[in-house]
Amino acid sequence: DAKTTQPNSMESNEEEPVHLPCNHSTISGTDYIHWYRQLPSQGPEYVIHGLTSNVNNRMASLAIAEDRKSSTLILHRATLRDAAVYYCILRSNAGGTSYGKLTFGQGTILTVHP
Amino acid sequence: EAEVAQSPRYKITEKSQAVAFWCDPISGHATLYWYRQILGQGPELLVQFQDESVVDDSQLPKDRFSAERLKGVDSTLKIQPAELGDSAMYLCASSFSSPKSTDTQYFGPGTRLTVL
Repeated sequence: DAKTTQPNSMESNEEEPVHLPCNHSTISGTDYIHWYRQLPSQGPEYVIHGLTSNVNNRMASLAIAEDRKSSTLILHRATLRDAAVYYCILRSNAGGTSYGKLTFGQGTILTVHP
Repeated sequence: EAEVAQSPRYKITEKSQAVAFWCDPISGHATLYWYRQILGQGPELLVQFQDESVVDDSQLPKDRFSAERLKGVDSTLKIQPAELGDSAMYLCASSFSSPKSTDTQYFGPGTRLTVL
């Protein structure tokens, strides 16, 4: 399975933008890039996903490098509620035992200061 | 907004006892997942159901863990006997369709198990 590398932790101030990086140098052409986050004492929740083009939704934006070997999750204005562990996950679209599997790493712990 | 329900939220048991966790997925969701999350780590998939059938249980310790989804709706995960190393958060998730690389998994709040 292709792996992702994220910083262990990041800090931000409230109402400032946050850029969470993810490296995935061994990504294959059929892998989708997904982001989930886990708030304290809750289950993970879906944030956003993409394949090649940048994506926007009401929660965040996903910027994908042209070579797809890295991506960045962008929170445009961090709030205290955004403090969570953010997971960058590659999901295979190639069939086989890894098809569609959601394999979590350790993620990035985001701390938001008031 | 529909949610995945899990119970109990917390469970304390002694080693060698049996424990069971229950999950009710979002209505209409065909795929159900059980994950285990050890403190400080990301969730790890234990078992995946498509309707009532197990499609992936490769990471389920089958000597002590069992899972069922008899009518293809709610599901039960059982541990017998529990060991100290089983202390973790047990998360249930569901998704609408067959697993593919773009479907969204919706997670429940989890059951925190402590084995003494």
